[in-house]
Amino acid sequence: EAEVAQSPRYKITEKSQAVAFWCDPISGHATLYWYRQILGQGPELLVQFQDESVVDDSQLPKDRFSAERLKGVDSTLKIQPAELGDSAMYLCASSLGGRRGYTFGSGTRLTVV
Amino acid sequence: AQKITQTQPGMFVQEKEAVTLDCTYDTSDQSYGLFWYKQPSSGEMIFLIYQGSYDEQNATEGRYSLNFQKARKSANLVISASQLGDSAMYFCAMREVMDSNYQLIWGAGTKLIIKP
Repeated sequence: EAEVAQSPRYKITEKSQAVAFWCDPISGHATLYWYRQILGQGPELLVQFQDESVVDDSQLPKDRFSAERLKGVDSTLKIQPAELGDSAMYLCASSLGGRRGYTFGSGTRLTVV
Repeated sequence: AQKITQTQPGMFVQEKEAVTLDCTYDTSDQSYGLFWYKQPSSGEMIFLIYQGSYDEQNATEGRYSLNFQKARKSANLVISASQLGDSAMYFCAMREVMDSNYQLIWGAGTKLIIKP
């Protein structure tokens, strides 16, 4: 079964450093989502892409976070500078819609020290 | 206002017993979808089951079934014959249209622990 690829799986970074996460969605999935999940809580949408266009980034802290999907395929989420409160799981998902919902990647667990 | 409510932060269940995880939702849309996802400690989010608002029958997927009560806005997940591997966080989510885009609204989750 096709998968959403994410890397790295784990990342430890120091406060004020830059960090980047990568996501490759399932081939043909036009919609891509980045979520942040604090331990013990549900996922929070950061940004939604339709092809290469951002359709919702209302919850993205734009002073430090940026996201791009230049060719409408894979995507990168960047944090600069990282803060202690950014420690979380960052999940990428893609979707064709319909009854199967979203397919998630394995996530990147970020720890900021 | 909370759109997805999961009232059980945590549950302990004996292996092989059936489990019901509660989920209530709030929407004024006529067309919507309800999902359940499982998240083991490893972190990946695994799709379990889907119920469309116009589906006449309750959804089933193997040991998972969804007890959909539309008038009560309830979409409880039932796991039959629980197994140790069912221990995980379980999230209920609702898909709705926001500004012409489909988005998932998530509940806070229920941590399920299966006891041997």
